[in-house]
Amino acid sequence: DAGVIQSPRHEVTEMGQEVTLRCKPISGHDYLFWYRQTMMRGLELLIYFNNNVPIDDSGMPEDRFSAKMPNASFSTLKIQPSEPRDSAVYFCASGIQGDYEQYFGPGTRLTVT
Amino acid sequence: AQKVTQAQTEISVVEKEDVTLDCVYETRDTTYYLFWYKQPPSGELVFLIRRNSFDEQNEISGRYSWNFQKSTSSFNFTITASQVVDSAVYFCALSESRGGYGGSQGNLIFGKGTKLSVKP
Repeated sequence: DAGVIQSPRHEVTEMGQEVTLRCKPISGHDYLFWYRQTMMRGLELLIYFNNNVPIDDSGMPEDRFSAKMPNASFSTLKIQPSEPRDSAVYFCASGIQGDYEQYFGPGTRLTVT
Repeated sequence: AQKVTQAQTEISVVEKEDVTLDCVYETRDTTYYLFWYKQPPSGELVFLIRRNSFDEQNEISGRYSWNFQKSTSSFNFTITASQVVDSAVYFCALSESRGGYGGSQGNLIFGKGTKLSVKP
């Protein structure tokens, strides 16, 4: 069975551009998490969904960030406009009710110049 | 508030040495889960173990062992006879269960990680 799939794996963009990161969770999982990893702040939660509904978005840094989960098999994290300080690795993870383990995707390394 | 502290930022050992990575956590919940993840230089996060707050049994898996002590809020990880392939950043994480055991899953609170370098 395929794991969590993220695309693109690497993204380089210029400041001010819109960036869209994509995630396909493991089939049958009803939780989806977006994390960001930076040297300064480590791994931190941005937002998570349960059954496609956002449950906690308190980690979303500001209005420039938005996340959607239109169906059980797809989620996007959008940054508009992007800034150099958004440069980080963005991980998507999925999980299933009662299991508590989170299965991580390979991450998207974002560089904003 | 929940918090995970990994006091050791970096550890360097020589192959075949034993090494212990420390993890101390804070939570007010009685039901919670603790995890260790490994992040090798390639960058992915690899799940190693999960423990719930009701199970204080220590666990051994090959060269890896984990010591969970609720009395000291610690969940330490030991690698026996370390190998160069163990070189990675290791993260300890905490997740609370919303609504008790079997309840809704919460997010993971990660420690800052411990970078382990195993030299040949």
